Amino acid sequence: GAGVSQSPSNKVTEKGKDVELRCDPISGHTALYWYRQSLGQGLEFLIYFQGNSAPDKSGLPSDRFSAERTGGSVSTLTIQRTQQEDSAVYLCASSSGWGEEKLFFGSGTQLSVL
Amino acid sequence: DQQVKQNSPSLSVQEGRISILNCDYTNSMFDYFLWYKKYPAEGPTFLISISSIKDKNEDGRFTVFLNKSAKHLSLHIVPSQPGDSAVYFCAASGRTNAGKSTFGDGTTLTVKP
Repeated sequence: GAGVSQSPSNKVTEKGKDVELRCDPISGHTALYWYRQSLGQGLEFLIYFQGNSAPDKSGLPSDRFSAERTGGSVSTLTIQRTQQEDSAVYLCASSSGWGEEKLFFGSGTQLSVL
Repeated sequence: DQQVKQNSPSLSVQEGRISILNCDYTNSMFDYFLWYKKYPAEGPTFLISISSIKDKNEDGRFTVFLNKSAKHLSLHIVPSQPGDSAVYFCAASGRTNAGKSTFGDGTTLTVKP
């Protein structure tokens, strides 16, 4: 596609439920990143993929968070047993490859855990 | 410990004047710096960057200055326009983790007509 696409744009869920967030990167971009932005905060790195592998998962806040990428394209971020502190905007970005610092971001998924 | 800091949460300037947004960092391993601009309900978009081998990079109305000894960079917008009103994020990365940028908390710029 022309840009990074994320879905859903908004997600409201109850505490304890699982959620899946989807990211479709720019066609041909091999590197994919997940960040999140809590209210009034900067962007917090979660995980990055090069192709289908995730060499760096260091930013995942707990084992309730996981992500996968298939076919070197679409990625899914899954949050299990959601907590209120998980409420944030989850941003996906892609780049043409590792070592390319310039990121192209999607519009994000606003997650609200009630 | 926050490695990239934007100490001014907000800045307001008059249209046509200069906007100066500041950013400080603590990690001496950072060697590439970027500025992103973010409008409400949109993702950040890349604005301008600078490598540590330079002290200035200019692109139209936007200029980024880097002072390595002070671990400080700034973004100058001249002249400022109402459409520049947005949140500006400073980001830094190193050669060992390129793409895994560390972001500041952002500065909200308001340009008044």
